[in-house]
Amino acid sequence: DIQMTQSPSTLSASVGDRVTITCRASQSISSWLAWYQQKPGKAPKLLIYKASSLESGVPSRFSGSGSGTEFTLTISSLQPDDFATYYCQQYNSYSPDTFGGGTKVEIK
Amino acid sequence: EVQLVQSGAEVKKPGESLKISCKGSGYSFTSYWIGWVRQMPGKGLEWMGIIYPGDSDTRYSPSFQGQVTISADKSISTAYLQWSSLKASDTAMYYCARVEVAGFDYWGQGTLVTVSS
Repeated sequence: DIQMTQSPSTLSASVGDRVTITCRASQSISSWLAWYQQKPGKAPKLLIYKASSLESGVPSRFSGSGSGTEFTLTISSLQPDDFATYYCQQYNSYSPDTFGGGTKVEIK
Repeated sequence: EVQLVQSGAEVKKPGESLKISCKGSGYSFTSYWIGWVRQMPGKGLEWMGIIYPGDSDTRYSPSFQGQVTISADKSISTAYLQWSSLKASDTAMYYCARVEVAGFDYWGQGTLVTVSS
């Protein structure tokens, strides 16, 4: 199976900061990567699909980049509503999907 | 409006069977894969498997193959996740979600399953 490694596992930041989360795949997944945001007690929410496509309704301060094995999620200016846990997910038609371990974004 | 509505919380004893459901509405249920995701208390997301309700084609993660059964009844736009013999380690929140392109775009509200003697 393809393994997804997210870093960091926890991130402390302030409102207005630029935040970057990294996700690495154990083998190439082309651009088949999604990013989700999850708040406590809620279902995850899709932010980015196909590595860099912004889901409808998601603020433009969220962006995704990368291909192959290395991907990043960037929040250009962290807002109070963005404190949450973020997960990457790889999609590859030849193996089961897998999620990264998650990155919790906390208030500094 | 696309909605996935899951069945309510369950409390079961080890060894009991269970089937939880996920009803889709607001879209063509037979045209999209539906997936199941496990989240154990305080832990991350785990992809369990997916089903295509149009023809019941099903794929499982190796971690869950043989441990659960995913099924669907397209006549009532409902997907299911079932266990034949629950363990305490099955205690978790279970989410269903619709598969779109390379992501789960709509999610159910989750079903909390608690297994305790």
